[in-house]
Amino acid sequence: EAQVTQNPRYLITVTGKKLTVTCSQNMNHEYMSWYRQDPGLGLRQIYYSMNVEVTDKGDVPEGYKVSRKEKRNFPLILESPSPNQTSLYFCASSLLVGSYEQYFGPGTRLTVT
Amino acid sequence: QKEVEQNSGPLSVPEGAIASLNCTYSDRGSQSFFWYRQYSGKSPELIMFIYSNGDKEDGRFTAQLNKASQYVSLLIRDSQPSDSATYLCAVNIGGTASKLTFGTGTRLQVTL
Repeated sequence: EAQVTQNPRYLITVTGKKLTVTCSQNMNHEYMSWYRQDPGLGLRQIYYSMNVEVTDKGDVPEGYKVSRKEKRNFPLILESPSPNQTSLYFCASSLLVGSYEQYFGPGTRLTVT
Repeated sequence: QKEVEQNSGPLSVPEGAIASLNCTYSDRGSQSFFWYRQYSGKSPELIMFIYSNGDKEDGRFTAQLNKASQYVSLLIRDSQPSDSATYLCAVNIGGTASKLTFGTGTRLQVTL
């Protein structure tokens, strides 16, 4: 089954404790992206990757890191999480960069206390 | 001015009626326009995309694009309770291939 998977789905952590949210797709997609979704602010892009070893900042990259060592994986790293990073996070992928449908993962609900 | 604007709603329509969802965008260079549906607690899923001025129909859904007015809309005919969800408008602002900007969404409620 073609899909984007994220783990964990739910995470409660404390300020400053490094964490990684994994994202994997099995569709051989070139493009992958991370978003956060907050009430009243909608979906905002954090980072994106157009191919292996090619990543770039989105609208809200502060406090996040990403890497793209393999085509299928695009982990999101929070080196020192803070409460303002409490949010719902979505990973997405699309076949190619540009005007193509993005497929979203199921989401990761993160709470930082 | 937000790059992609939608009325947050809720938009309430009776079952069987036409629901009209609207979206405006700021940059005339934008070329690709998408409508995603998001059920509560779920991830967004694509329902329509449109690239050219005019109407595009797919089943009960019609997307309308007017680039001169920087306006894109989604019509849902014969609305069903299962259509109750938040509808997200997404635009590749400025024609930037790598970036899709989302509106905050309009919540649609279809009442019995």
